[in-house]
Amino acid sequence: DTAVSQTPKYLVTQMGNDKSIKCEQNLGHDTMYWYKQDSKKFLKIMFSYNNKELIINETVPNRFSPKSPDKAHLNLHINSLELGDSAVYFCASSQDARTGNEQFFGPGTRLTVL
Amino acid sequence: KQEVTQIPAALSVPEGENLVLNCSFTDSAIYNLQWFRQDPGKGLTSLLLIQSSQREQTSGRLNASLDKSSGRSTLYIAASQPGDSATYLCAVSGNTPLVFGKGTRLSVIA
Repeated sequence: DTAVSQTPKYLVTQMGNDKSIKCEQNLGHDTMYWYKQDSKKFLKIMFSYNNKELIINETVPNRFSPKSPDKAHLNLHINSLELGDSAVYFCASSQDARTGNEQFFGPGTRLTVL
Repeated sequence: KQEVTQIPAALSVPEGENLVLNCSFTDSAIYNLQWFRQDPGKGLTSLLLIQSSQREQTSGRLNASLDKSSGRSTLYIAASQPGDSATYLCAVSGNTPLVFGKGTRLSVIA
């Protein structure tokens, strides 16, 4: 069983469209995260949710809106996609929001904006 | 603001060699340090987690050390194999969530 799963694995879309990426974890963790890995392979935190509540938003444009229907899911919705949004997006989870807990990552979603 | 640097950016070694990957961080107030492996087009696999109170962790042929006061960690890989070829990422957790280095791309040549 995959611990942290994301769909879709690949997403190709036109500028200006709205798209969503889904993430699910079956580890029973309370905290989930979204990271962005840019073309230079640099990984950076975007959001962190603890038990469905937003706890970290790292100055991400408000075109990005995470949604957590329950603590096992954290979906990422992106409005008005721009070329610069092309990247690989990783979802992760940890047992709780205490810093120092090990994080487990999903396989990533490669987003290409044309 | 925490910054994480990994040296070298890329490394190519013949099979069987022992090697060391380096990671340094600017703010020593960390809770832990994690080493990950990323294969091309794949996600991140956690290799080792060192809590700030620990000096090292070992898993199989991998050994990671942590010197918090000097802001350094090393990942030692013994008897390297072609299957070890991947990008190795170091990340530290402090008052902010994980801050990553840019990784070291390792190629082990058979």
